[in-house]
Amino acid sequence: SAVISQKPSRDICQRGTSLTIQCQVDSQVTMMFWYRQQPGQSLTLIATANQGSEATYESGFVIDKFPISRPNLTFSTLTVSNMSPEDSSIYLCSVVRTSGGETQYFGPGTRLLVL
Amino acid sequence: KNQVEQSPQSLIILEGKNCTLQCNYTVSPFSNLRWYKQDTGRGPVSLTIMTFSENTKSNGRYTATLDADTKQSSLHITASQLSDSASYICVVDPLQGGYNKLIFGAGTRLAVHP
Repeated sequence: SAVISQKPSRDICQRGTSLTIQCQVDSQVTMMFWYRQQPGQSLTLIATANQGSEATYESGFVIDKFPISRPNLTFSTLTVSNMSPEDSSIYLCSVVRTSGGETQYFGPGTRLLVL
Repeated sequence: KNQVEQSPQSLIILEGKNCTLQCNYTVSPFSNLRWYKQDTGRGPVSLTIMTFSENTKSNGRYTATLDADTKQSSLHITASQLSDSASYICVVDPLQGGYNKLIFGAGTRLAVHP
């Protein structure tokens, strides 16, 4: 298994500000992802965090709005920039140890409310 | 469009009773189908992973079934406990899709009452 921690666990922010969410894994992993989960909805993949290079973003998500860093194999950050109330959501970090058929583990999530 | 639809949206049962959650999908072909449990305020936790060739997979009191012909999966919970109160999410992995192609259902919210 993989133990994943996220900071902060929750936050209330003012519109126009930015928040950086940290994801720390207890051991090296191959793949790291960032998801958004809006109330009552399914998980939506924001991007794949690539170690040492730019993240790979899914359709509808851009680097200027959601800059991501992954300096090593156990740590990643997601920044939600210039926030608006529509960004209120749960943001989840997820990891996979090896590609193909491996169990996907999720962090506890960061609950964000933008006023 | 590939979809994963779960029913019911929400369910209330009494402690000790059994229940079955449904997942219908249109994804084809697919590599595997996963069921996750998500407690309130937590991230999803894997319950079962079934390849397209498997019909059933158990994890304690949780049993998942898969009918690839009708494109349906179910998650059966036996002798429910209060701790089973959570959202249950069905996820389909398209063949050769990669983790960025996983299709998540919206989940079934289960409440187990004493």
